Amino acid sequence: DGGITQSPKYLFRKEGQNVTLSCEQNLNHDAMYWYRQDPGQGLRLIYYSQIVNDFQKGDIAEGYSVSREKKESFPLTVTSAQKNPTAFYLCATLDPGFGTYEQYFGPGTRLTVT
Amino acid sequence: GQQVMQIPQYQHVQEGEDFTTYCNSSTTLSNIQWYKQRPGGHPVFLIQLVKSGEVKKQKRLTFQFGEAKKNSSLHITATQTTDVGTYFCAGTGGSARQLTFGSGTQLTVLP
Repeated sequence: DGGITQSPKYLFRKEGQNVTLSCEQNLNHDAMYWYRQDPGQGLRLIYYSQIVNDFQKGDIAEGYSVSREKKESFPLTVTSAQKNPTAFYLCATLDPGFGTYEQYFGPGTRLTVT
Repeated sequence: GQQVMQIPQYQHVQEGEDFTTYCNSSTTLSNIQWYKQRPGGHPVFLIQLVKSGEVKKQKRLTFQFGEAKKNSSLHITATQTTDVGTYFCAGTGGSARQLTFGSGTQLTVLP
């Protein structure tokens, strides 16, 4: 079954703790993305990676960190420095085939920090 | 940086009525994409527009890209309850691999 897996679906943490969100894909796509979605708002780019061992900051990278050690995996760590971490986090990959730069999204992780 | 604005934020329609959402960019776009997110779900790609003035149709959905490549619209004819969800536009500027999303229009269809 091909696609993007994000786990867990719901995650609860206490303030001050770091938490790592998982994103795994078997689509063989090179580019991967992390977005944050808040209620009534669009998706904001946190980090993206075009290739293994390389990644770039998006618009709201402060308080987050990522790694890209394998093509299939792009975990996101929400650190205690992120002031408002409660949000819906979406991982995506990019298929540049045939000139249509379609992004495929995982099911997302809803993070609640109290 | 690039900003993409989308209106309206919410739209309630009776089933069978038409619906339109509009997207405006602060800069000229290379292309624009549209995504649909069902309640509780994740965004799903609908279409990409590339050419100035381009119009594409998918059954009851009509997508337009403005002549200046700074605005776009999605029009749904005769809405159905299955159209419920949030519709996002997303534009690319210099890099086709990085999208800037609009804030979305949440569509409610009343039976």
